[in-house]
Amino acid sequence: EAAVTQSPRSKVAVTGGKVTLSCHQTNNHDYMYWYRQDTGHGLRLIHYSYVADSTEKGDIPDGYKASRPSQENFSLILELASLSQTAVYFCASTWSNTGQLYFGEGSKLTVL
Amino acid sequence: GDKVKQSPSALSLQEGTNSALRCNFSIAATTVQWFLQNPRGSLINLFYLVPGTKENGRLKSAFDSKESYSTLHIRDAQLEDSGTYFCAADGSSGSWQLIFGSGTQLTVMP
Repeated sequence: EAAVTQSPRSKVAVTGGKVTLSCHQTNNHDYMYWYRQDTGHGLRLIHYSYVADSTEKGDIPDGYKASRPSQENFSLILELASLSQTAVYFCASTWSNTGQLYFGEGSKLTVL
Repeated sequence: GDKVKQSPSALSLQEGTNSALRCNFSIAATTVQWFLQNPRGSLINLFYLVPGTKENGRLKSAFDSKESYSTLHIRDAQLEDSGTYFCAADGSSGSWQLIFGSGTQLTVMP
């Protein structure tokens, strides 16, 4: 079973502050993703990466940066957090772009 | 419009009964995945499908790429089946992401 761990699991941030969400996977997967889920809705792709030191934009990249320093680690960075970025963020990984997707437990971000 | 449309949006079942959830696609999907988001918020991968069917215990899923739909059947529903079910499809060859439906919220009642 793939292991994807996220930290922190919950965070309260102030508007304009910097937030970093971290993701670590231990299954040697090439592809890693950051999704956002708003209450009562599905998931929307923010950024993804298929190789270390490279990231790609998803459907809703504005206001977010991503970093993939190694195959195992993928971070989501909010340089200037805004109220509209309050959501639950999920990291996921898979071995290919059409492979079975494994999610982390989610990080609940509240921006005040 | 929605590229991946799930129905129904919500469903209540009595324990022990059966149900079917459906996803219709307006994209040329080649694979489909079904996920359960449990009440704790965790997303669990239930099925990864190429065209065809798969079964796992009381769950059975089918994907018809020609007719552009997928179904998830739940037999003998249990309380722990409650949660939100999401389907997601990839695009045609060369597509780089999964597209998620909006989910079906399932409540199993005793």
